[in-house]
Amino acid sequence: DIQMTQSPSSLSASVGDRVTITCRASQSISSWLVWYQQKPEKAPKSLIYAASSLQSGVPSRFSGSGSGTDFTLTISNLQPEDFATYYCQQYSAYPLTFGGGTKVEIK
Amino acid sequence: QLQLQESGPGLVKPSETLSLTCTVSGGSVSSSLYFWGWIRQPPGKGLEWIGNIDYSGTTYYSPSLKSRVTISIDTSKNHFSLTLASVTAADTAFYYCGRSWTSANRFDPWGQGTLVTVSS
Repeated sequence: DIQMTQSPSSLSASVGDRVTITCRASQSISSWLVWYQQKPEKAPKSLIYAASSLQSGVPSRFSGSGSGTDFTLTISNLQPEDFATYYCQQYSAYPLTFGGGTKVEIK
Repeated sequence: QLQLQESGPGLVKPSETLSLTCTVSGGSVSSSLYFWGWIRQPPGKGLEWIGNIDYSGTTYYSPSLKSRVTISIDTSKNHFSLTLASVTAADTAFYYCGRSWTSANRFDPWGQGTLVTVSS
């Protein structure tokens, strides 16, 4: 199985900050990576797919980069509605696997 | 707009079988372009993929759950289903269904999720 390791597991930030979350795969997954945002009591929502492609309707302050084993989700100019938990998922191979999540909290 | 909705009992007794259905609206489970999948999330914890099925009934399961999981599809009712046998408290979770692409196994959209509690 491909292990996905996210860091940090949580972070505190202020509105307007730039936030970076990383996701590392245990083997190369090319660009087969998606980032999800999950708010409390809600289903995850796709933000970035193919490592760097913005899902339709997602604000441009969200961006993704990376390929191979190392990936980054960046939120520039953090907004109040961005406080949530973020997950990465690899879809290079079965079984599909998720990172452990990064909770973005208000400082 | 494609929508998915999970349904099924919210409480299951230990050692019994969990059964959920995901009803699809605004699209067809008969399309060869998509997989239909199940993902779960224990309260306060992370996401775990359970398995996928395609329009023909071909299935892909998580190795850790494979011995207990069955996913089926009913194209006439436009829904797909999950059964998980011999449940324990560790199977208590929010269960989500989702659509992914056969060309890119990422989920969008997801159903709203349903909490299944395993308890006597």
